[in-house]
Amino acid sequence: AQSVTQPDIHITVSEGASLELRCNYSYGATPYLFWYVQSPGQGLQLLLKYFSGDTLVQGIKGFEAEFKRSQSSFNLRKPSVHWSDAAEYFCAVGRQTGANNLFFGTGTRLTVIP
Amino acid sequence: NAGVTQTPKFRVLKTGQSMTLLCAQDMNHEYMYWYRQDPGMGLRLIHYSVGEGTTAKGEVPDGYNVSRLKKQNFLLGLESAAPSQTSVYFCASRQPGQGYEQYFGPGTRLTVT
Repeated sequence: AQSVTQPDIHITVSEGASLELRCNYSYGATPYLFWYVQSPGQGLQLLLKYFSGDTLVQGIKGFEAEFKRSQSSFNLRKPSVHWSDAAEYFCAVGRQTGANNLFFGTGTRLTVIP
Repeated sequence: NAGVTQTPKFRVLKTGQSMTLLCAQDMNHEYMYWYRQDPGMGLRLIHYSVGEGTTAKGEVPDGYNVSRLKKQNFLLGLESAAPSQTSVYFCASRQPGQGYEQYFGPGTRLTVT
């Protein structure tokens, strides 16, 4: 069975500091991996995705994520956080077959302080 | 191109009342989904549909019914609302064979008192 763990419920960083949000997954085959962001009162927006190929993927808003198969991880990073990055971030693992294809982690809430 | 829209945005119900949440998408997607989001629990799938006239149960289907009479619409019904159904509800859609990501609506915040 597939599952996603986001070990950090809440992270606080200073504006301009670097950010890393952790995501670990469990899946028996090659996973499809996603990061979504949810700004306050908004729906989920796709930040980036990994299907295959280069294990470092670039997304929108200056985010990137690295797929590490040996560690079953897909951590999200940003070199310099902006106040507008304050939001909730969800990692999801997708399976390649079936319509019910996405399984979400419980989310990490990011607070950005001046 | 509005993407995925949901109505209403907010609703307060009393225990035992019924209501229907409407999801509409203009991307001609085959698959549609209803999730609920609760603090500390992420998104959990309620029901989904793989095409007009089809529905299937997700992880937490009890207390909800759905219908997909038209390809672009997916309705979520609560026949007798309970306080445990207080949540934020998200609709999503995707097209098989075109990436695997789902596209989400803005959500409906439902409070049952």
